[in-house]
Amino acid sequence: DQQVKQNSPSLSVQEGRISILNCDYTNSMFDYFLWYKKYPAEGPTFLISISSIKDKNEDGRFTVFLNKSAKHLSLHIVPSQPGDSAVYFCAASAIRDDKIIFGKGTRLHILP
Amino acid sequence: NAGVTQTPKFQVLKTGQSMTLQCAQDMNHEYMSWYRQDPGMGLRLIHYSVGAGITDQGEVPNGYNVSRSTTEDFPLRLLSAAPSQTSVYFCASSYGFYGRAKDEQFFGPGTRLTVL
Repeated sequence: DQQVKQNSPSLSVQEGRISILNCDYTNSMFDYFLWYKKYPAEGPTFLISISSIKDKNEDGRFTVFLNKSAKHLSLHIVPSQPGDSAVYFCAASAIRDDKIIFGKGTRLHILP
Repeated sequence: NAGVTQTPKFQVLKTGQSMTLQCAQDMNHEYMSWYRQDPGMGLRLIHYSVGAGITDQGEVPNGYNVSRSTTEDFPLRLLSAAPSQTSVYFCASSYGFYGRAKDEQFFGPGTRLTVL
């Protein structure tokens, strides 16, 4: 049973345009959500997070939106740059649980 | 700081062999974890530890053992390797398990394991 779902295995976006990566979750106990970025042959690196008490969090070109009623979050990258080409993992956790659950990832290709 | 280090980078085993994947961190992090990454499966949690002497199972613990005798080290043991354990293994650590500290993890570079 997948608790964190990233239904798009890959996404291609023109350089300079907006990239939108989506994530859905099923566990209503999740109250903290994160995005990680991963380049080939490297470990994932933390990108941005959001608590369930917020609906938006921004960090430079990266913004995460949370829609609790729909159990959906999205990561917006504006403007997209070549260095953004990577695999992006959505992750979720609950305050009463020490486990962090990851989605399957979305591979983002930024086209020149 | 070296951050999170993993050894070896690559390993080939035969079915039935045992081995230990090493993980160490020099950031005095309480929380450490092991993940495996398989094509189309994302990152799946194998085992985790909230501090020295404390370990627990993740989503896919079968076939793996862990121990945490020190804050710095968190080795992952494969008792009898199987082809299904062919994967890339990542170790991660974070400041602690209180509140949100456990979530923003630092990952090692990974160990690519092939079991023939």
